[in-house]
Parts: sequence; structure tokens; C-alpha cells
Amino acid sequence: DADVTQTPRNRITKTGKRIMLECSQTKGHDRMYWYRQDPGLGLRLIYYSFDVKDINKGEISDGYSVSRQAQAKFSLSLESAIPNQTALYFCATSDRMQGKDTQYFGPGTRLTVL
Amino acid sequence: DQQVKQNSPSLSVQEGRISILNCDYTNSMFDYFLWYKKYPAEGPTFLISISSIKDKNEDGRFTVFLNKSAKHLSLHIVPSQPGDSAVYFCAASGVGGSQGNLIFGKGTKLSVKP
Repeated sequence: DADVTQTPRNRITKTGKRIMLECSQTKGHDRMYWYRQDPGLGLRLIYYSFDVKDINKGEISDGYSVSRQAQAKFSLSLESAIPNQTALYFCATSDRMQGKDTQYFGPGTRLTVL
Repeated sequence: DQQVKQNSPSLSVQEGRISILNCDYTNSMFDYFLWYKKYPAEGPTFLISISSIKDKNEDGRFTVFLNKSAKHLSLHIVPSQPGDSAVYFCAASGVGGSQGNLIFGKGTKLSVKP
């Protein structure tokens, strides 16, 4: 079984719709992250959470919100989707106790906003 | 301004030869560097890392070299195999990377020809 899972894996939606992407992990890590990948732009951080009560904005948080429902679950919401949010979205986890921040990624969600 | 740069979008290498992927960074506060490999339709996979107190780290066919004075790191793959064909991302973290978050380069697509 995968350590970091994301649902859905693919989603097509329309402009203005509310969308939630979910991430679950069985690694027991305390830190979780949401990134988006656009062609030619690498991975950019949207939000991150160092524990259940800690939520922080990343480089590109506008238009997104998150919820850390439990240590193992971190959801990303697009309140009103727009076409330039079409991208690959990745969840990642890391373990503070390991000392250095090696992150482990889920398989990704391909989101298309029409 | 990009703090982590991968200036070569693509690299083509013959099977059995050495692949050298390069990465430059601008922030001298980075103290931990990582390489990730990404296949299409999958999440990035952690490959190898190096702390700023070292200048070399090896793991099988993969070696990462760090030149702190030049703010440059490289990933060497020897010998290259067709299965190594993927996009490789360089990432950095440290105080300059917002307390444990990773800053990614835009990636280099490696093609290993049989």
C-alpha cells in the first residue's frame, strides 16, 4: 500500500465550482504540504502544516485553503475554481524527528478547470 | 527571483555513459540539498541528499557533489540506464528555505538512449 495517497487522481471541473483534494498518509509524519506543478515551472508550495494546529501559507496560497483534519489527513480546497488553477497537485509529508526535511510525495492529482 | 536554478531543461545521454545534472542556488543559508526523480503520472521520488557539511554523497550509481563556494551541486549517474529517463528536480532547504520547506528548481528532463 502507498504511504501517501491522494484522491481523486484526476478531476475535471468548471469555473466557479468548489473542489476539494484530499491527502492521507500512513507514514506517521507530522508535517504535510501541498504543491502544484505547472509545465516548466517546477513545484511551487501552496500551503504547509507542521502539526494539526499549525497551518502556513506557501508561495502561491491565493485562491486556495486547507484543512488539517488529523495528523494523517490534509485537504486542499479551491473555493471557486478558475482555469489558471489547472495543474498537477502533489501532497507531501516529512518527519521533523528525522532532523532534515526530506519530503515524500503522493502520486498527484491532475485537475482541469474548464 | 529563483533561488534554485536548473539551467538545462533537458539532457540526452547514451546508455552506459555518465549523466551529469547541474543545479545552482543563490541563498547561502541553504544547508540541505536533495534530488528527486519524477516519472510521468507519478509523484516525485526522493533520490539522494547532501548536507552542507559534506561535499560528496554516494548511493549506488548516484553521487551528489556540493561546491559551497560556487553555490553549485551536481548529480552524477554512472552508468546511465534507460530506466533513469525521467525529470530530475533539485531542491534546497535551510533557514533560507523557510524553516524546513523545500525550494525546487524547474527540473531537467533526462533521456537515456539505448
